[in-house]
Amino acid sequence: EDQVTQSPEALRLQEGESSSLNCSYTVSGLRGLFWYRQDPGKGPEFLFTLYSAGEEKEKERLKATLTKKESFLHITAPKPEDSATYLCAVTFRDDKIIFGKGTRLHILP
Amino acid sequence: KAGVTQTPRYLIKTRGQQVTLSCSPISGHRSVSWYQQTPGQGLQFLFEYFSETQRNKGNFPGRFSGRQFSNSRSEMNVSTLELGDSALYLCASSLALGGYTFGSGTRLTVV
Repeated sequence: EDQVTQSPEALRLQEGESSSLNCSYTVSGLRGLFWYRQDPGKGPEFLFTLYSAGEEKEKERLKATLTKKESFLHITAPKPEDSATYLCAVTFRDDKIIFGKGTRLHILP
Repeated sequence: KAGVTQTPRYLIKTRGQQVTLSCSPISGHRSVSWYQQTPGQGLQFLFEYFSETQRNKGNFPGRFSGRQFSNSRSEMNVSTLELGDSALYLCASSLALGGYTFGSGTRLTVV
């Protein structure tokens, strides 16, 4: 069954405490993996697209990496404004798309 | 540059009624997709339109339908509303695969 699983479901970190969020997938014919950030009451905001294993993308304190079975979103020295839900999505054969259920990240000052 | 605009922001409907939600994409974006977001199921893909043609469809019953107009604006319709249809409905537009820009959504409550 085609599936996207994100872990952990929720994560509380102290400001400055680096960590990683995981997105694992079981789909055939991967076309792309996407990371989004969603703040309460708003739509998801696009962060990164990754297309092939070994690819990495960076933006400020965030770095996304991709392997053949999973992706990691590394957060370095996070700040309270990084608190949000982070969503992973995968597009695969026939342009189908599946979203993970997200990781709720809370950064404590 | 204006973002993706969804109207209305909030809606309360009664079971059995129908509802139409509207989405105006970013100027120049020809692809519009719709999603349902609930706490239990997360974000689920409804359908995608490109140049007025439905290009892809998720696993939702036929009560959920949509269309796209020549100016790329899109509407989705839900007929015979059920309590379980209460959700945040999100629209997204894009130029290329995956680089979607989302609107703020329409919060639908069915009572």
